[in-house]
Amino acid sequence: SQQGEEDPQALSIQEGENATMNCSYKTSINNLQWYRQNSGRGLVHLILIRSNEREKHSGRLRVTLDTSKKSSSLLITASRAADTASYFCATDAAGDYKLSFGAGTTVTVRA
Amino acid sequence: EAQVTQNPRYLITVTGKKLTVTCSQNMNHEYMSWYRQDPGLGLRQIYYSMNVEVTDKGDVPEGYKVSRKEKRNFPLILESPSPNQTSLYFCASSFRPGGASGYTFGSGTRLTVV
Repeated sequence: SQQGEEDPQALSIQEGENATMNCSYKTSINNLQWYRQNSGRGLVHLILIRSNEREKHSGRLRVTLDTSKKSSSLLITASRAADTASYFCATDAAGDYKLSFGAGTTVTVRA
Repeated sequence: EAQVTQNPRYLITVTGKKLTVTCSQNMNHEYMSWYRQDPGLGLRQIYYSMNVEVTDKGDVPEGYKVSRKEKRNFPLILESPSPNQTSLYFCASSFRPGGASGYTFGSGTRLTVV
């Protein structure tokens, strides 16, 4: 079952601009993670934020988490052509033995 | 290099012909899992394994089997494949189910059943 839902489904931006995508989920979580997938390849772990954290940074990535609204956002700053990919949020819900993934946001960065 | 290795990368088969997709990890992870990815549906878990000889069903287990005889290997078996199992399959591993350090994914197996 899909726990997370990303918004928007697709995003097209110019190189150098920022890209923001959102994720909403339904149940209590231990942590929320973001992954990147390049064109049918395997998913790559980007960043994890725990339920007691509100914001986390990693390089050009900034993740926020609002557990009261059951939502998270991923910001990619100063985007590059190499950031073109699909981005998925995944939740680790209490009592589950899995990560639950949303359908993803497809980001296209135009040169 | 720490990695999850899946084979084959691509496979075309006919309905009813048994097949196995192999998955191996070299990180001594206890937890392994299989997902399938279909357009618009994201990734759905098929089976998972908490450790050797411990496996359990995920969200979409019908038509699949798994085994975990060794810690590093977690093969996915389709005993009688059908066209609705045409999909992109991923194996993933982690130290713990929730992936507190994130999951490591294989490169995927694109399966077509005709």
